[in-house]
Amino acid sequence: AQTVTQSQPEMSVQEAETVTLSCTYDTSENNYYLFWYKQPPSRQMILVIRQEAYKQQNATENRFSVNFQKAAKSFSLKISDSQLGDTAMYFCAFYGNKLVFGAGTILRVKS
Amino acid sequence: DGGITQSPKYLFRKEGQNVTLSCEQNLNHDAMYWYRQDPGQGLRLIYYSQIVNDFQKGDIAEGYSVSREKKESFPLTVTSAQKNPTAFYLCASSPGTGKNTGELFFGEGSRLTVL
Repeated sequence: AQTVTQSQPEMSVQEAETVTLSCTYDTSENNYYLFWYKQPPSRQMILVIRQEAYKQQNATENRFSVNFQKAAKSFSLKISDSQLGDTAMYFCAFYGNKLVFGAGTILRVKS
Repeated sequence: DGGITQSPKYLFRKEGQNVTLSCEQNLNHDAMYWYRQDPGQGLRLIYYSQIVNDFQKGDIAEGYSVSREKKESFPLTVTSAQKNPTAFYLCASSPGTGKNTGELFFGEGSRLTVL
């Protein structure tokens, strides 16, 4: 069975600093997609970043980047220059033949 | 604007009552999904539909029912058989089979509270 583990239930970071959220997954598949979704207090889920497993280059979207380690089955999210608007629940998700979500990490950005 | 609309945003139900949550999308997506969100458990799949007039059970379908009579609409009924229905419910869509990369587009959610 495919599983996604987010080992950090809650994290805090000072505004303008960098924070890394961890995610590991378990699968026997070779081709898949990985995602980080953001759920702010408004509760609507928004896609932050996506990584195709066949691509070795780590995905980047502005202040958001990932560290994808396929052999280690690790997919961490780095947020640079944290902003107050980054405060949200962050979900890591895996898509092979179905989409599986981790339990989420609450990130609080402090001023 | 294209997107997914869920209603109502908040809903209260007495025990023993069925309630229906609405989900409408104008993204022309083939596939639609219902997820349940509980604290500390992430999102769990209730039902999904990849095409009109067809739907499949997800991981926690017991006590729920759905229909897909139109491409745009995928309502979820929470029946009295659902033992613990108080939760946050999210509807989502994706382009569909053959075009699917796993990326989902979400509605704003519906909070159901059983009194």
